[in-house]
Amino acid sequence: QVQLVQSGAEVKKPGASVKVSCKASGYTFTSYYMHWVRQAPGQGLEWMGIINPSGGSTSYAQKFQGRVTMTRDTSTSTVYMELSSLRSEDTAVYYCARDCSSGWYAIFDIWGQGTMVTVSS
Amino acid sequence: QSVLTQPPSASGTPGQRVTISCSGSSSNIGSNTVNWYQQLPGTAPKLLIYSNNQRPSGVPDRFSGSKSGTSASLAISGLQSEDEADYYCAAWDDSLNGRYVVFGGGTKLTVL
Repeated sequence: QVQLVQSGAEVKKPGASVKVSCKASGYTFTSYYMHWVRQAPGQGLEWMGIINPSGGSTSYAQKFQGRVTMTRDTSTSTVYMELSSLRSEDTAVYYCARDCSSGWYAIFDIWGQGTMVTVSS
Repeated sequence: QSVLTQPPSASGTPGQRVTISCSGSSSNIGSNTVNWYQQLPGTAPKLLIYSNNQRPSGVPDRFSGSKSGTSASLAISGLQSEDEADYYCAAWDDSLNGRYVVFGGGTKLTVL
C-alpha cells in the first residue's frame, strides 16, 4: 500500500542540525511532489517547503530559507529534510506529506507518521 | 498568527450539524482552492476535503466543504463522537515573496 515511513525521534542541542528522512513506497516516487510540515507541541500546522522528487527542485517557506535543505534519493525513494542552527522553538513533530496534485493544489493525501525533534541543552 | 483565520473551538451534540469557518484574503483563498484536514489526537493529519468541496474516497458524505470569495467553510452533519478532532484549512498563498502553503490555526471540535 501507499505509505510514507519517517525516521525516528531525535534529540539535538541548540545550534546543531537534524536530518529527517521519509521513505516512500507503493507508488512511483518521482511522480508526486513532497512537502514538509511541522507542528510544535500543542500548536497548529506550519508549512516548511516542497521538493520535486523528479528533478530535485525545491521551494522553501521564507521563515526557513537559509536554514532548511530538502533533498531526495531516487534510488531509495527517500526524501530528506535537514534543518540547521536549531533552537528550542524548532522542537516539533515534523511530517512529510505527498501532494497528489503534483504541486498545483497542495493536496496532501498521504502523510508520514511524524518525527519528533526535540531541541534541548 | 496564522494567515488563515479559524475559530479556535467549536462544539455540538451527537446528530447536530456544525460548521467551521476559514477566512483568508485575495492572495490565498480568493485565488486558490481550499483543502481541509482532520487530525485525531496523537495522529498525523488526514485529508478530509480537497479542491473546496471534494471528498476523498472513504470520507463520509457527512463532511462537506464550500468556498465563497475569500472564505471557506467545513460542515459536519450528523455529528458523531469520533468526529472529535482538530480541523485545519489550507491553501496556496501567492504573495510578492513567492508561493507558500498557508494553514489556518486549527479548530478543536468537541462533541458534547
